Amino acid sequence: DAKTTQPTSMDCAEGRAANLPCNHSTISGNEYVYWYRQIHSQGPQYIIHGLKNNETNEMASLIITEDRKSSTLILPHATLRDTAVYYCIVRTGSARQLTFGSGTQLTVLP
Amino acid sequence: DVKVTQSSRYLVKRTGEKVFLECVQDMDHENMFWYRQDPGLGLRLIYFSYDVKMKEKGDIPEGYSVSREKKERFSLILESASTNQTSMYLCASSFAGIGTDTQYFGPGTRLTVL
Repeated sequence: DAKTTQPTSMDCAEGRAANLPCNHSTISGNEYVYWYRQIHSQGPQYIIHGLKNNETNEMASLIITEDRKSSTLILPHATLRDTAVYYCIVRTGSARQLTFGSGTQLTVLP
Repeated sequence: DVKVTQSSRYLVKRTGEKVFLECVQDMDHENMFWYRQDPGLGLRLIYFSYDVKMKEKGDIPEGYSVSREKKERFSLILESASTNQTSMYLCASSFAGIGTDTQYFGPGTRLTVL
């Protein structure tokens, strides 16, 4: 699976959009971009994933650049409950396991 | 919504005890996984199962066994608990469809072995 690079930490004001970047310059054509988050002492929560096109669901939007070498997770209206570590993962469909990197600690400030 | 539940959120056991961690999913998923998560080591796969009574070893199966007698239930067994098995244990499940599989996690069990 391709390696990903994320900032260690970010802050965001409550009610504003949180934009979390991820670089995956060695991504292969059959690899998906996944985002999970983990609130302290809880299990990881799936957010969204995509292959080439931008994706949106009730939680977030995923913007993937045309060359697929980077992506951005957007939480449109961040709340205090969005404070968590966010993991960007690149994996193929046949990969058995998930491998989490260091992730980005997002802190939503009141 | 997918729901994955784990039998306990917190568990304290003594060295040498046999420990059972249970995981149940309600989405008829074929695949189920057991991971452990430790600070600085990330997520490590212990075992996974792609069907009832089927199992495969992950990266760190030593000291663990699993059981999957029913599709919705996947149990992790520590045959003789040791202090180095103190960890957060996470169960996940996924649908074995075409393309990619999205794994959904349970809340985790924080196990302390004294």
